[in-house]
Amino acid sequence: GDSVTQMQGQVTLSEDDFLFINCTYSTTWYPTLFWYVQYPGEGPQLLLKVTTANNKGISRGFEATYDKGTTSFHLQKASVQESDSAVYYCVLECSGTYQRFGTGTKLQVVP
Amino acid sequence: EAAVTQSPRNKVTVTGGNVTLSCRQTNSHNYMYWYRQDTGHGLRLIHYSYGAGNLQIGDVPDGYKATRTTQEDFFLLLELASPSQTSLYFCASSDAANSDYTFGSGTRLLVI
Repeated sequence: GDSVTQMQGQVTLSEDDFLFINCTYSTTWYPTLFWYVQYPGEGPQLLLKVTTANNKGISRGFEATYDKGTTSFHLQKASVQESDSAVYYCVLECSGTYQRFGTGTKLQVVP
Repeated sequence: EAAVTQSPRNKVTVTGGNVTLSCRQTNSHNYMYWYRQDTGHGLRLIHYSYGAGNLQIGDVPDGYKATRTTQEDFFLLLELASPSQTSLYFCASSDAANSDYTFGSGTRLLVI
């Protein structure tokens, strides 16, 4: 079945560091992929959505790139701030029915 | 403002107890979802619905029932709660499967 994998459980960076979070997926079709962000005490919220039509999305300084060749979907940001500390989820649209979440990457940015 | 509201915010029950978690959305969305969030597992889908009266099974449905009474209201039922169901539960709504999800603030359930 459709699956999504995030290997990085936790990432600790200093302010102004470069962020790169990788995600891989497995499916028999070309799904829409998402990155959601969750701040403490809140539900997840959409950060980026990327379809097969555009392959890349940009929002709030974050950039997501969809690589169908390697079935990977990564999130990057050039310079992180302490306010970016949160949990980031890679999410796969499953066969037009619902969205399947990865296990999440907790980002801690220290000043 | 469009929103998803969950109640209660916190709930404690005993093993074998009966629990109902409520979710109401004012987004006029057709799709609604129940997820549970656990450390090391992320969010896992329990049940979802395409509209009033419709119910679909998610990835971890065992021990849970759900009911969608109206377009706005989606309920998650635990009829014989077990400690393994201690978790943070999120409800969400969307226009379609590949649309943005709007999440509620969550219900924290403790089964003792």
